[in-house]
Amino acid sequence: AQSVSQHNHHVILSEAASLELGCNYSYGGTVNLFWYVQYPGQHLQLLLKYFSGDPLVKGIKGFEAEFIKSKFSFNLRKPSVQWSDTAEYFCAVNGHSGNTPLVFGKGTRLSVIA
Amino acid sequence: DAGVTQSPTHLIKTRGQQVTLRCSPKSGHDTVSWYQQALGQGPQFIFQYYEEEERQRGNFPDRFSGHQFPNYSSELNVNALLLGDSALYLCASSLGTGLSTDTQYFGPGTRLTVL
Repeated sequence: AQSVSQHNHHVILSEAASLELGCNYSYGGTVNLFWYVQYPGQHLQLLLKYFSGDPLVKGIKGFEAEFIKSKFSFNLRKPSVQWSDTAEYFCAVNGHSGNTPLVFGKGTRLSVIA
Repeated sequence: DAGVTQSPTHLIKTRGQQVTLRCSPKSGHDTVSWYQQALGQGPQFIFQYYEEEERQRGNFPDRFSGHQFPNYSSELNVNALLLGDSALYLCASSLGTGLSTDTQYFGPGTRLTVL
């Protein structure tokens, strides 16, 4: 069965610290990968996505993610976090062919403290 | 350009009742997907509507049904509510190219509480 694992439930970082959120997936076949973010009181927004090509994907607000096929991973990174990055982050996957629904992980809550 | 809108924002029902949630897609979008997000969990796919037909369905019982109107707006109906149906219900819209690479835009959700 398709699934997404996000290793960290809650991450607390100081401003300017580097961030890496883990995401591993289980899915048969070629995949599309996504990171969504949900800021407090706001709706889910797409942060970045990977469909094919360069496995290092750059998204909005300085975020990037690297697809490592051999490890079934798509970790999210940011070199220096800001207080405004405090949010819930969701990794999601679907099949590359046809029209397959998104499968989400449980999310990682990031708290950035001053 | 209006984004995805959902109504109502919050809803409280009792077990056994029925509920209808509504969604208007982003301007120009013709496909609507519904997700259930239980507390502490990620969104879980319920079903997707395109051209007024259910195109795909996740692992949800028949108590969950939907409808899409000619203007692409959509309703999610849940019958015989259970306590476990308490969740945030999210609507997402996209262009109906039928490809899994379609970007989905999410609404703010409807918080359903079943007592």
